[in-house]
Amino acid sequence: AQSVAQPEDQVNVAEGNPLTVKCTYSVSGNPYLFWYVQYPNRGLQFLLKYITGDNLVKGSYGFEAEFNKSQTSFHLKKPSALVSDSALYFCAVRDASGNTPLVFGKGTRLSVIA
Amino acid sequence: GAGVSQTPSNKVTEKGKYVELRCDPISGHTALYWYRQSLGQGPEFLIYFQGTGAADDSGLPNDRFFAVRPEGSVSTLKIQRTERGDSAVYLCASSLNSGSRAGELFFGEGSRLTVL
Repeated sequence: AQSVAQPEDQVNVAEGNPLTVKCTYSVSGNPYLFWYVQYPNRGLQFLLKYITGDNLVKGSYGFEAEFNKSQTSFHLKKPSALVSDSALYFCAVRDASGNTPLVFGKGTRLSVIA
Repeated sequence: GAGVSQTPSNKVTEKGKYVELRCDPISGHTALYWYRQSLGQGPEFLIYFQGTGAADDSGLPNDRFFAVRPEGSVSTLKIQRTERGDSAVYLCASSLNSGSRAGELFFGEGSRLTVL
């Protein structure tokens, strides 16, 4: 069975500072990895994904994430946080080998303080 | 429409009643998913359709929950004999299963169900 762990319920960062939101995963085969963001009263929005290839993937709004197979991690990063980045962030994984559904972590609330 | 549409956006019902939640996916998306999100939790998988058939219904919590997608487009999630524990936001998503955007789920804004 596949699973995702987001060890931090809340991350606080000052505007302009770099941010990291952590994610580790477990799958039996190769992973497809995703990050989604949820703004208040809005639906989940796709940010970025890792399918294959370069371990560093770049996504929307200046976010990027690095796939680390040995550490089974896919941490979300941004070099300089904005107040408007404040939202709920979800990491998700599915097994690349079959038509399995996307499994989500419990989410991390990011708060960027001006 | 351009995105995934879910109706109603809010539904308040009494314990024991029957509820239907509707999802209209993005045109051309063959895959459709239902998830449930409780407060402080991530989305929890319920059921996945590929075309008209349920490819994976392993997430449905019990036989009070049922979903259909008769023409391979609109889907309805049906909940019988609702219980207070069914209160949650029910999310629908659709996706393409091929091309550069394969695997990306496009979510609706959800239907918030409150069972009194």
